Amino acid sequence: EVQLVQSGAEVRKPGESLKISCKGSGYSFNNHWIAWVRQMSGKGLEWMGIIYPDDSDARYSPSFRGQVTISADKSISTAFLQWSSLKASDTAMYYCASETASGYWYFDLWGRGTLVTVSS
Amino acid sequence: DIVLTQSPGTLSLSPGERATLSCRASQSVSSRYLAWYQQKPGQAPRLLIYGASRRATGIPDRFSGSGSGTDFTLTFRLEPEDFAVYYCQQYGNSPGLSFGGGTKVEIK
Repeated sequence: EVQLVQSGAEVRKPGESLKISCKGSGYSFNNHWIAWVRQMSGKGLEWMGIIYPDDSDARYSPSFRGQVTISADKSISTAFLQWSSLKASDTAMYYCASETASGYWYFDLWGRGTLVTVSS
Repeated sequence: DIVLTQSPGTLSLSPGERATLSCRASQSVSSRYLAWYQQKPGQAPRLLIYGASRRATGIPDRFSGSGSGTDFTLTFRLEPEDFAVYYCQQYGNSPGLSFGGGTKVEIK
């Protein structure tokens, strides 16, 4: 089955670090772009960044550059999104999404999301 | 960066009615690189349309996309399962991609 499986919900305190994951299967994960998308509660979709797992070429939205790090481990078909110092405003649902056929940056495959809660 | 503005913010319609959703870009979207997604509560978005007018795999033909340049439209005749939030997304212009703010289609 073609799918993206995201890691489970996380609860952290402000200032803590976090790394969430997105594992692909059923298709050539390493040769397709993987994006990370933030959705705050009741709000719209925000593009954070994108990575090509085969060579770890990562691009960032100007709004998120320097705030998060996107990486990938092609040996395990997994992409990651990490924070070094979380803020309460990072509380949101985070989706990974992939294009699976075109190479263009629209996304026909989505994970179910990872809910990150940052609270003291 | 390209800013996408969707209108209306909320659309109240009855099943069987025609929904017309607008997505306007702050500058021309290259090569009609415009996609539409549907998101239902508690679910991830689902790709409906790419390339402004091409239906994604498995999407019913009641959904159609049109437009070019800075003005794009998603239209469909409403079935009960279509009540959701719809987002447009451009992917043709540097530095990356961007989403519109969404249109909620609710039951009248």
